[in-house]
Amino acid sequence: AQRVTQPEKLLSVFKGAPVELKCNYSYSGSPELFWYVQYSRQRLQLLLRHISRESIKGFTADLNKGETSFHLKKPFAQEEDSAMYYCALRIVNNNDMRFGAGTRLTVKP
Amino acid sequence: DAGVTQSPTHLIKTRGQQVTLRCSPKSGHDTVSWYQQALGQGPQFIFQYYEEEERQRGNFPDRFSGHQFPNYSSELNVNALLLGDSALYLCASSLGRGANTGELFFGEGSRLTVL
Repeated sequence: AQRVTQPEKLLSVFKGAPVELKCNYSYSGSPELFWYVQYSRQRLQLLLRHISRESIKGFTADLNKGETSFHLKKPFAQEEDSAMYYCALRIVNNNDMRFGAGTRLTVKP
Repeated sequence: DAGVTQSPTHLIKTRGQQVTLRCSPKSGHDTVSWYQQALGQGPQFIFQYYEEEERQRGNFPDRFSGHQFPNYSSELNVNALLLGDSALYLCASSLGRGANTGELFFGEGSRLTVL
Protein backbone atom coordinates (compact mmCIF):
# COMPACT_ATOMS: atom_id res chain seq x y z
CA ALA A 1 0.00 0.00 0.00
CA GLN A 2 1.10 3.53 -0.65
CA ARG A 3 1.87 5.30 2.58
CA VAL A 4 3.67 8.40 3.83
CA THR A 5 5.08 8.49 7.33
CA GLN A 6 6.24 11.56 9.18
CA PRO A 7 7.57 10.22 12.47
CA GLU A 8 7.67 13.52 14.33
CA LYS A 9 4.44 15.31 15.13
CA LEU A 10 6.30 18.17 16.78
CA LEU A 11 9.77 19.57 16.18
CA SER A 12 11.27 22.55 17.96
CA VAL A 13 14.59 24.22 17.14
CA PHE A 14 16.26 27.53 17.92
CA LYS A 15 16.69 30.23 15.30
CA GLY A 16 19.86 29.67 13.30
CA ALA A 17 20.00 25.94 14.04
CA PRO A 18 19.75 23.33 11.30
CA VAL A 19 16.43 21.60 10.87
CA GLU A 20 15.45 18.30 9.29
CA LEU A 21 11.88 17.13 8.94
CA LYS A 22 11.70 13.43 8.24
CA CYS A 23 9.52 11.74 5.66
CA ASN A 24 9.47 8.08 4.65
CA TYR A 25 7.28 6.59 2.00
CA SER A 26 6.07 3.19 0.95
CA TYR A 27 5.49 2.67 -2.76
CA SER A 28 6.68 -0.03 -5.14
CA GLY A 29 6.76 2.13 -8.27
CA SER A 30 8.43 5.39 -9.20
CA PRO A 31 7.19 8.05 -6.80
CA GLU A 32 6.69 11.76 -7.08
CA LEU A 33 7.22 13.47 -3.77
CA PHE A 34 6.27 16.88 -2.50
CA TRP A 35 6.46 19.01 0.60
CA TYR A 36 3.45 21.17 1.40
CA VAL A 37 3.43 23.84 4.11
CA GLN A 38 0.71 25.60 6.06
CA TYR A 39 1.66 28.82 7.83
CA SER A 40 -0.53 30.19 10.58
CA ARG A 41 -3.88 31.43 9.23
CA GLN A 42 -2.92 30.56 5.66
CA ARG A 43 -4.01 27.78 3.38
CA LEU A 44 -2.00 24.70 2.55
CA GLN A 45 0.48 25.41 -0.25
CA LEU A 46 3.24 23.68 -2.17
CA LEU A 47 6.75 24.24 -0.83
CA LEU A 48 8.78 22.09 -3.19
CA ARG A 49 8.71 18.99 -5.35
CA HIS A 50 11.52 16.48 -5.81
CA ILE A 51 11.53 16.54 -9.60
CA SER A 52 12.38 20.25 -9.61
CA ARG A 53 15.49 19.80 -7.46
CA GLU A 54 14.99 23.34 -6.27
CA SER A 55 15.68 25.21 -3.07
CA ILE A 56 12.72 27.19 -1.79
CA LYS A 57 13.08 29.57 1.16
CA GLY A 58 16.38 27.82 1.89
CA PHE A 59 14.76 24.39 2.12
CA THR A 60 15.93 21.40 0.11
CA ALA A 61 14.80 17.80 -0.03
CA ASP A 62 16.53 14.86 -1.65
CA LEU A 63 14.75 11.73 -2.72
CA ASN A 64 16.58 8.66 -1.43
CA LYS A 65 15.04 5.65 -3.13
CA GLY A 66 17.24 3.20 -1.24
CA GLU A 67 15.97 4.46 2.11
CA THR A 68 12.56 5.47 0.70
CA SER A 69 12.96 8.85 2.30
CA PHE A 70 12.40 12.47 1.31
CA HIS A 71 13.61 14.48 4.27
CA LEU A 72 13.27 18.27 4.25
CA LYS A 73 16.30 20.22 5.38
CA LYS A 74 17.36 23.77 6.06
CA PRO A 75 20.80 24.71 7.39
CA PHE A 76 19.71 27.78 9.38
CA ALA A 77 16.12 27.91 10.59
CA GLN A 78 14.27 31.21 10.81
CA GLU A 79 11.32 32.13 13.02
CA GLU A 80 9.13 32.57 9.94
CA ASP A 81 9.69 28.90 9.12
CA SER A 82 7.37 27.97 11.98
CA ALA A 83 4.50 26.13 10.33
CA MET A 84 2.88 22.77 9.71
CA TYR A 85 4.75 20.71 7.12
CA TYR A 86 3.23 17.82 5.17
CA CYS A 87 5.08 15.34 3.02
CA ALA A 88 3.02 14.02 0.11
CA LEU A 89 3.34 11.20 -2.40
CA ARG A 90 1.71 11.21 -5.80
CA ILE A 91 1.37 7.93 -7.60
CA VAL A 92 2.26 8.50 -11.23
CA ASN A 93 -0.75 8.27 -13.54
CA ASN A 94 -3.01 8.05 -10.55
CA ASN A 95 -3.39 11.69 -9.60
CA ASP A 96 -4.33 11.29 -5.98
CA MET A 97 -1.96 12.72 -3.45
CA ARG A 98 -1.21 10.81 -0.23
CA PHE A 99 -0.27 13.05 2.67
CA GLY A 100 1.58 12.26 5.85
CA ALA A 101 0.17 13.30 9.21
CA GLY A 102 2.35 16.39 9.29
CA THR A 103 5.07 17.85 11.49
CA ARG A 104 4.60 21.08 13.37
CA LEU A 105 7.86 23.00 13.31
CA THR A 106 8.45 25.69 15.88
CA VAL A 107 11.51 27.90 15.55
CA LYS A 108 12.26 29.63 18.84
CA PRO A 109 14.04 33.02 19.00
CA ASP B 1 -7.73 35.89 -8.79
CA ALA B 2 -9.46 34.75 -5.60
CA GLY B 3 -7.91 31.33 -5.81
CA VAL B 4 -9.90 28.33 -4.63
CA THR B 5 -13.04 29.29 -2.76
CA GLN B 6 -15.15 27.00 -0.59
CA SER B 7 -18.51 27.38 1.09
CA PRO B 8 -19.73 27.23 3.71
CA THR B 9 -16.75 27.82 6.01
CA HIS B 10 -18.40 26.21 9.01
CA LEU B 11 -21.50 24.12 9.50
CA ILE B 12 -23.11 21.92 12.11
CA LYS B 13 -25.26 18.91 11.30
CA THR B 14 -26.79 16.05 13.25
CA ARG B 15 -26.30 12.37 12.67
CA GLY B 16 -28.24 11.00 9.73
CA GLN B 17 -28.49 14.33 7.93
CA GLN B 18 -27.03 15.14 4.56
CA VAL B 19 -24.59 17.90 3.68
CA THR B 20 -23.41 19.60 0.48
CA LEU B 21 -20.12 21.47 0.30
CA ARG B 22 -19.15 23.67 -2.61
CA CYS B 23 -15.89 24.59 -4.30
CA SER B 24 -14.84 26.97 -7.06
CA PRO B 25 -11.41 26.21 -8.51
CA LYS B 26 -8.64 28.64 -9.23
CA SER B 27 -9.09 30.47 -12.50
CA GLY B 28 -7.81 28.35 -15.38
CA HIS B 29 -7.94 25.07 -13.47
CA ASP B 30 -10.12 22.21 -14.65
CA THR B 31 -9.54 19.53 -12.03
CA VAL B 32 -10.96 19.46 -8.51
CA SER B 33 -9.94 17.11 -5.72
CA TRP B 34 -11.59 16.74 -2.33
CA TYR B 35 -9.82 15.85 0.88
CA GLN B 36 -10.95 15.09 4.41
CA GLN B 37 -8.69 16.27 7.22
CA ALA B 38 -9.46 14.97 10.67
CA LEU B 39 -7.98 16.70 13.69
CA GLY B 40 -4.25 16.00 13.96
CA GLN B 41 -4.10 14.17 10.65
CA GLY B 42 -2.99 14.97 7.16
CA PRO B 43 -5.50 15.42 4.34
CA GLN B 44 -7.01 12.16 3.07
CA PHE B 45 -7.98 11.90 -0.57
CA ILE B 46 -11.71 11.43 -1.19
CA PHE B 47 -12.01 11.77 -4.98
CA GLN B 48 -11.05 13.85 -7.98
CA TYR B 49 -13.19 15.28 -10.76
CA TYR B 50 -12.10 16.12 -14.28
CA GLU B 51 -14.30 16.81 -17.29
CA GLU B 52 -17.36 16.42 -15.05
CA GLU B 53 -16.47 12.82 -14.21
CA GLU B 54 -15.03 11.18 -11.14
CA ARG B 55 -11.56 10.19 -12.28
CA GLN B 56 -10.11 8.77 -9.10
CA ARG B 57 -11.50 7.74 -5.74
CA GLY B 58 -9.92 7.14 -2.36
CA ASN B 59 -11.04 4.73 0.34
CA PHE B 60 -14.34 6.39 1.23
CA PRO B 61 -17.82 4.82 1.29
CA ASP B 62 -20.52 5.54 -1.26
CA ARG B 63 -22.11 7.97 1.21
CA PHE B 64 -19.55 10.39 -0.18
CA SER B 65 -20.44 11.55 -3.65
CA GLY B 66 -19.62 14.49 -5.81
CA HIS B 67 -20.29 16.41 -8.92
CA GLN B 68 -18.43 18.73 -11.24
CA PHE B 69 -20.23 21.36 -13.28
CA PRO B 70 -19.36 22.65 -16.78
CA ASN B 71 -17.71 25.72 -15.20
CA TYR B 72 -15.40 23.31 -13.29
CA SER B 73 -16.90 24.10 -9.89
CA SER B 74 -17.66 21.10 -7.74
CA GLU B 75 -19.83 19.82 -4.93
CA LEU B 76 -19.17 17.21 -2.28
CA ASN B 77 -22.21 15.47 -0.84
CA VAL B 78 -22.22 13.32 2.26
CA ASN B 79 -25.32 11.32 3.14
CA ALA B 80 -26.33 9.68 6.41
CA LEU B 81 -23.79 11.66 8.41
CA LEU B 82 -21.88 9.92 11.18
CA LEU B 83 -20.08 11.47 14.11
CA GLY B 84 -16.82 10.37 12.49
CA ASP B 85 -17.50 12.56 9.47
CA SER B 86 -16.65 15.61 11.57
CA ALA B 87 -13.60 17.08 9.90
CA LEU B 88 -12.21 19.86 7.75
CA TYR B 89 -13.06 19.25 4.12
CA LEU B 90 -10.54 20.69 1.72
CA CYS B 91 -10.97 21.34 -1.95
CA ALA B 92 -7.91 21.55 -4.18
CA SER B 93 -7.72 22.51 -7.82
CA SER B 94 -5.11 21.75 -10.43
CA LEU B 95 -4.58 21.46 -14.15
CA GLY B 96 -5.71 18.23 -15.73
CA ARG B 97 -4.16 15.84 -18.16
CA GLY B 98 -0.99 16.85 -19.93
CA ALA B 99 -0.24 19.81 -17.72
CA ASN B 100 -0.50 18.34 -14.29
CA THR B 101 2.63 19.25 -12.37
CA GLY B 102 1.24 17.79 -9.19
CA GLU B 103 0.81 21.20 -7.60
CA LEU B 104 -2.48 21.46 -5.78
CA PHE B 105 -4.03 24.80 -4.87
CA PHE B 106 -6.09 24.47 -1.74
CA GLY B 107 -9.08 26.32 -0.42
CA GLU B 108 -9.46 27.29 3.22
CA GLY B 109 -11.80 24.40 3.84
CA SER B 110 -15.28 23.75 5.21
CA ARG B 111 -15.34 22.64 8.82
CA LEU B 112 -18.13 20.16 9.39
CA THR B 113 -19.26 19.23 12.88
CA VAL B 114 -21.67 16.33 13.28
CA LEU B 115 -23.52 16.15 16.59
